[in-house]
Amino acid sequence: AQKITQTQPGMFVQEKEAVTLDCTYDTSDQSYGLFWYKQPSSGEMIFLIYQGSYDEQNATEGRYSLNFQKARKSANLVISASQLGDSAMYFCAMIEIYNQGGKLIFGQGTELSVKP
Amino acid sequence: DGGITQSPKYLFRKEGQNVTLSCEQNLNHDAMYWYRQDPGQGLRLIYYSQIVNDFQKGDIAEGYSVSREKKESFPLTVTSAQKNPTAFYLCASSIGGGVTEAFFGQGTRLTVV
Repeated sequence: AQKITQTQPGMFVQEKEAVTLDCTYDTSDQSYGLFWYKQPSSGEMIFLIYQGSYDEQNATEGRYSLNFQKARKSANLVISASQLGDSAMYFCAMIEIYNQGGKLIFGQGTELSVKP
Repeated sequence: DGGITQSPKYLFRKEGQNVTLSCEQNLNHDAMYWYRQDPGQGLRLIYYSQIVNDFQKGDIAEGYSVSREKKESFPLTVTSAQKNPTAFYLCASSIGGGVTEAFFGQGTRLTVV
């Protein structure tokens, strides 16, 4: 069954340091997409990064990179050089293309706090 | 400007009443989604639609209903059968096929009084 797991309810990181947010997934589909979103206290959902199941290279977008380990079914988000504005909830998400007809599901989230 | 619009931003409902949340997009997206978010929790999928006149139940569809009569519109009705409807509701849309990200509306905060 399609499932996303984020095991870190909360994380702290010092400003300017790097942090890794964990995400594991379960799927029997060969074709799927993985996403990370940021949700500040305002409630809006901000797209950060996407990784397709057939992409051989890890995705990167500015200070964000996705550490994709397909065999281990993990898609961890790495934020380099943390900033105070990075404090927010972070959600990992997955979409299955064939088995679930495009069902997009989210993990429980990780609350990141950046300390000055 | 292209985007996805949810209205209203805040909604109050009396117990036992049905209420409809609006979601409109002008991005020409095929896929649309409805999520519920409770305080400090993740997003749970209520319903999703990949094409006009077709939709599928998500993980928590009981007490909710949707329609997809037009490509740009995907309204969600919270019925009186939903036992605990107070929550933050988010609508999203995407091109479809899972190859790009989903875009989200600003959300509707529903409170039952």
